Amino acid sequence: KNQVEQSPQSLIILEGKNCTLQCNYTVSPFSNLRWYKQDTGRGPVSLTIMTFSENTKSNGRYTATLDADTKQSSLHITASQLSDSASYICVVTSYNFNKFYFGSGTKLNVKP
Amino acid sequence: GAVVSQHPSRVICKSGTSVKIECRSLDFQATTMFWYRQFPKKSLMLMATSNEGSKATYEQGVEKDKFLINHASLTLSTLTVTSAHPEDSSFYICSARQRLNTEAFFGQGTRLTVV
Repeated sequence: KNQVEQSPQSLIILEGKNCTLQCNYTVSPFSNLRWYKQDTGRGPVSLTIMTFSENTKSNGRYTATLDADTKQSSLHITASQLSDSASYICVVTSYNFNKFYFGSGTKLNVKP
Repeated sequence: GAVVSQHPSRVICKSGTSVKIECRSLDFQATTMFWYRQFPKKSLMLMATSNEGSKATYEQGVEKDKFLINHASLTLSTLTVTSAHPEDSSFYICSARQRLNTEAFFGQGTRLTVV
């Protein structure tokens, strides 16, 4: 069964600290993996996209990693800011039919 | 990235009425648009996939007569919630993709409240 699981479900960190969010998937065949940031009451915004051959991708303070062998990805946020408070969603695309599989998201709360 | 605009961002309607939500791709032609529903603290659930000029493909458990989807042009898809009930209250999000194997961009979502 194609699934995407994220952990932790929620996370509280202090401003300026780093954090790492995890995404494990069983989607096969794999096409790509995206991390999205979703502010409350808004649509998701893409942070990074990685294909099978890419191990790491950065977007400012966001760095995503991908291990296609173990089917794991992580999103590392450096020097967190209050504006990083949001839900972070991992989405895996299957090669067949280009179907998207969504993780349930990690709710990040950055406190001053 | 490309811009996908949803309208309205918020709507309140009376039970039994119908409400239409628009999804527009502003700077590209979208051959495929997706409609999602999101419950509080949950991730997005795909409701249906629509390809321009053809009937939408609905996910299992989604009533096609309840949620009417029209994708009449390459830049516009609409979702009409017919005979709305309070349990239809939710956050509805669309995304649009130019063609297969390209990124899908999300709209900002529509908060529907049925009273």
